[in-house]
Order: sequence, then C-alpha cells, then structure tokens
Amino acid sequence: DVKVTQSSRYLVKRTGEKVFLECVQDMDHENMFWYRQDPGLGLRLIYFSYDVKMKEKGDIPEGYSVSREKKERFSLILESASTNQTSMYLCASSLRTEGALSNEKLFFGSGTQLSVL
Amino acid sequence: QKEVEQDPGPLSVPEGAIVSLNCTYSNSAFQYFMWYRQYSRKGPELLMYTYSSGNKEDGRFTAQVDKSSKYISLFIRDSQPSDSATYLCAIFNTNAGKSTFGDGTTLTVKP
Repeated sequence: DVKVTQSSRYLVKRTGEKVFLECVQDMDHENMFWYRQDPGLGLRLIYFSYDVKMKEKGDIPEGYSVSREKKERFSLILESASTNQTSMYLCASSLRTEGALSNEKLFFGSGTQLSVL
Repeated sequence: QKEVEQDPGPLSVPEGAIVSLNCTYSNSAFQYFMWYRQYSRKGPELLMYTYSSGNKEDGRFTAQVDKSSKYISLFIRDSQPSDSATYLCAIFNTNAGKSTFGDGTTLTVKP
C-alpha cells in the first residue's frame, strides 16, 4: 500500500522560530509537493520538486523554502514563522509519466496542523 | 477570478439521496479532471479521474465532464453515511505539471 508520511500531526511554534516539516514517501515517486489548506481558500501549492535537488515555486512560495536531498524525502522550511502561516500543511507525491513532467494522480499524507503563536 | 470554482456547500442529505457536486474552470489547457475525497483530519485521497468529456462510472460514483462548458460534476447515488467527507475537484495541467484545486464541498449524509 502506498504511503506518504508526515512527521508531525500537530505542531505549535512561536513567531520567529524556524520550522521544519518533514515528508517521506515509500513509493519511489519522482515528484513531491507541499500544499497548505485553509478554510475558504482550498489547497494552495507552495513548492514542488520533480527530482532530487530540484525545486519549483508554486503559487504561494513567499516565506517558505524546501529541501530535497533524497528522492523519498521532501522538507518544507519556514525560515521565520509568522501567525499567518498557521495552517494545515499537506505533502503529496506522484509518479513521473513517460513524456510528461508529472502525473495527475497525487498521493497525500495525513497533514500537519501547524499553529504559530 | 479563481481558475477552479467549486460549489461551496455545505451539503446535508438523507441516506439514499443522490448527490451532485459541481465545479467550473476557466483554463482550456486543463486536461485531466479529478475528484478527491477528504475525511476529517485526513489527507485527500483520489476518488476518480477522467480526461475526456462524458461520463465515467465507478460503482455509486459518476464523474461527468463537459469541456465545452468547462463544467465538471460528481454524482453519488444511494449516498451512505460513510460518504460524509469533503470533496475536492482538481484539474491537472500537463504543461505546467501541477493540479489546481477547488475549495471543496463538505457533504454530510444523515442516517
């Protein structure tokens, strides 16, 4: 069974702290994504990666960075957490399709609910 | 204007009802159309996907796409309490390599 694991289910941090959200997938997928989910705003793409060491900005990258040192692991970093980064963070992965950058089928983790106080 | 607009809900229906969930989109480059189901405190899971206009059926679920109107729907027949969840439409742009999601519709099926 496919699995995307996010290291923390709930996280509480203080304003200004550096925050690391970790995501690991065991499906040998090339593509990994970080979304945030907020009521009334849906899922918004923060960053994604098509391969190790590669990263692409999504729709709302400001205030975030990412790291992909190994194929199975994709980390989201909040350099200096702010209250407006309180949200549900979802990691996802997908397989690369021949002739295309990505595949439409996303597999999600269970999410990390981050509260910044 | 959002690229994907989803009927906001919430929806509350009795068990056995037919449910219709709807989205519209604006970008003609969108090529794959998906529905994800998200239970409370869980991540979304892919329920159905299609890439052509018409209907695709899977058990009690039917996904419908009308590319000329840029309109997609998910129908649930004989709805069950276990169908209570948030349903997200998502549209994949092959050129960009990413999906754009609707805001989600929360469905409650009452026994």
